[in-house]
Amino acid sequence: AQRVTQPEKLLSVFKGAPVELKCNYSYSGSPELFWYVQYSRQRLQLLLRHISRESIKGFTADLNKGETSFHLKKPFAQEEDSAMYYCALKEAYKYIFGTGTRLKVLA
Amino acid sequence: SQTIHQWPATLVQPVGSPLSLECTVEGTSNPNLYWYRQAAGRGLQLLFYSVGIGQISSEVPQNLSASRPQDRQFILSSKKLLLSDSGFYLCAWRGESNEQFFGPGTRLTVL
Repeated sequence: AQRVTQPEKLLSVFKGAPVELKCNYSYSGSPELFWYVQYSRQRLQLLLRHISRESIKGFTADLNKGETSFHLKKPFAQEEDSAMYYCALKEAYKYIFGTGTRLKVLA
Repeated sequence: SQTIHQWPATLVQPVGSPLSLECTVEGTSNPNLYWYRQAAGRGLQLLFYSVGIGQISSEVPQNLSASRPQDRQFILSSKKLLLSDSGFYLCAWRGESNEQFFGPGTRLTVL
């Protein structure tokens, strides 16, 4: 079965430190992957998708098919990055989400 | 521009009572629509999705059902709520680039 695994429930880093939120997937075809973010009291929203290969708010994510990973990275964390992050995989009409990682950026 | 609405925002219901949560989308036609349940430590669980009027795909067997009576309306229902139905319910639609756009959610508490 297709799966998305986010091994860390909580990740705490200090402001200015690098951040890496892990995401691993299992999928038999060519995956289409996304990162979503939910800030406090806001709607869940798209952060970035692997197809566009973009950098949003300083975050990037590279698809590694050999390691079946799509880790989210940012070189210097900011306090406003504190939020819940979800990795998601699109399979036909469906979307499979990971369990999420809560990122806390400490001052 | 497209917008998605959900109501009510919060709901407290006794066990055994019926449920109806509504989701509507504006500014798009024939959207793919989704119902999720968000629970702490369990992420987003896809409950139902619909690719058109009257078409419902169920992902998880449970006490809930979904209907799509109109193109831009998606309803989540239950005939008799269980304690385990408590949670945060999210409606979403699929954009042109396959991203999901989420509604504000409904916090359901079953007592």
